[in-house]
Amino acid sequence: DVKVTQSSRYLVKRTGEKVFLECVQDMDHENMFWYRQDPGLGLRLIYFSYDVKMKEKGDIPEGYSVSREKKERFSLILESASTNQTSMYLCASRTTGGAKGEQYFGPGTRLTVT
Amino acid sequence: AQSVTQPDIHITVSEGASLELRCNYSYGATPYLFWYVQSPGQGLQLLLKYFSGDTLVQGIKGFEAEFKRSQSSFNLRKPSVHWSDAAEYFCAVGPRGTYKYIFGTGTRLKVLA
Repeated sequence: DVKVTQSSRYLVKRTGEKVFLECVQDMDHENMFWYRQDPGLGLRLIYFSYDVKMKEKGDIPEGYSVSREKKERFSLILESASTNQTSMYLCASRTTGGAKGEQYFGPGTRLTVT
Repeated sequence: AQSVTQPDIHITVSEGASLELRCNYSYGATPYLFWYVQSPGQGLQLLLKYFSGDTLVQGIKGFEAEFKRSQSSFNLRKPSVHWSDAAEYFCAVGPRGTYKYIFGTGTRLKVLA
């Protein structure tokens, strides 16, 4: 079974803090994704990585950056957290195959910025 | 612009009743189509997918979906709902030739005992 794990289920940070969300997958998948999930808005793509050190901006990259130094790990970084970044963050991985491939999701990190 | 619409935000059904969740998409060509389920406190799990061929697709947990090209729809159905089906359901579209999905806003299903 594919397993995608996220470092924290719940996280509370203060405005202005630098925040790291970590995601690890154990299936040697090339593609990894970070989404943000908000009520009534569904899932919105923040960043996508198609290989180690390779990344592309998604639909809402502002205020975020990512790092992928190893194939199994994809980190989302909030450079200076703001209250409007309070949300559920979901990581996913996928083998190659473009939009045809199934994405495997982690359990999510619920981030609260106060 | 490409979009996915799930017109029902909330649906309530009684256990044992049938279920249909609606999904419409806007895209020039037939995209790849998916339904995911998110149980409380969990990530998303794939229920079923459609790429081509037979327009009626069977998935896990007794779910099926039918692709209707003329209506740009991919509705999810289950003949008899179980209490454990209470969750949020997301329709997703994967435009061919791209790497990403477009997700609908989700439908939250409540099941009455």
